[in-house]
Amino acid sequence: EVQVVESGGGLVQPGGSLRLSCAASGFTFSSYWMSWVRQAPGKGLEWVANIKQDGSEKYYVDSVKGRFTISRDNAKNSLYLQMNTLRAEDTAVYYCARGIRDSSGYYFAGVFDIWGQGTMVTVSS
Amino acid sequence: DIQMTQSPSSLSASVGDRVTITCRASQGISNYLAWYQQKPGKVPKLLIYAASTLQSGVPSRFSGSRSGTDFTLTISSLQPEDVATYYCQKYNSPPYTFGQGTKLEIK
Repeated sequence: EVQVVESGGGLVQPGGSLRLSCAASGFTFSSYWMSWVRQAPGKGLEWVANIKQDGSEKYYVDSVKGRFTISRDNAKNSLYLQMNTLRAEDTAVYYCARGIRDSSGYYFAGVFDIWGQGTMVTVSS
Repeated sequence: DIQMTQSPSSLSASVGDRVTITCRASQGISNYLAWYQQKPGKVPKLLIYAASTLQSGVPSRFSGSRSGTDFTLTISSLQPEDVATYYCQKYNSPPYTFGQGTKLEIK
């Protein structure tokens, strides 16, 4: 079964740090772009960051640049999000998501076909 | 950055109705537009990409179209299981911005 499973969420104080992990299985992880997408309670979806198959390219939404770092370990089929200097507005469910491979074999960075169940991050004192 | 504006923000329709949701990009994004469905308490599901390509396993009552920078998601005959919030998303280049969502309910 193709799936991704997030872990590492929790309650953290403002200014604190947290590291999220995403374990992939059932597909060739090293062939796909991977992303983190978040959803604040009762709000819409917000793409946070993504990383190319070999880790050579990384992109971030402006609101997390300089604070969050995305990384991957293809040998462990794992994706990570290191979150530093956390703010209350970072409170959200964080989803790990796989970029699609279309019928012609092209791998897209920014459209997602496999999503995890999410991990909740709460930033509060 | 390119903004994605969905309309309406909420919609109530009857079973069997034809439903249309619109998404407008503030600049050209070619066909790099996806639609997702998120049922209450569930994970988002990809419905359509490349503006009109149906993702595998998605019912054929869902369709997508493009006219310039305006995109449309159509449900040809609304079913009770289609109750959800629908999001458009542009993916031509980062940031991969989502629309604000359209909440669809059954009348």
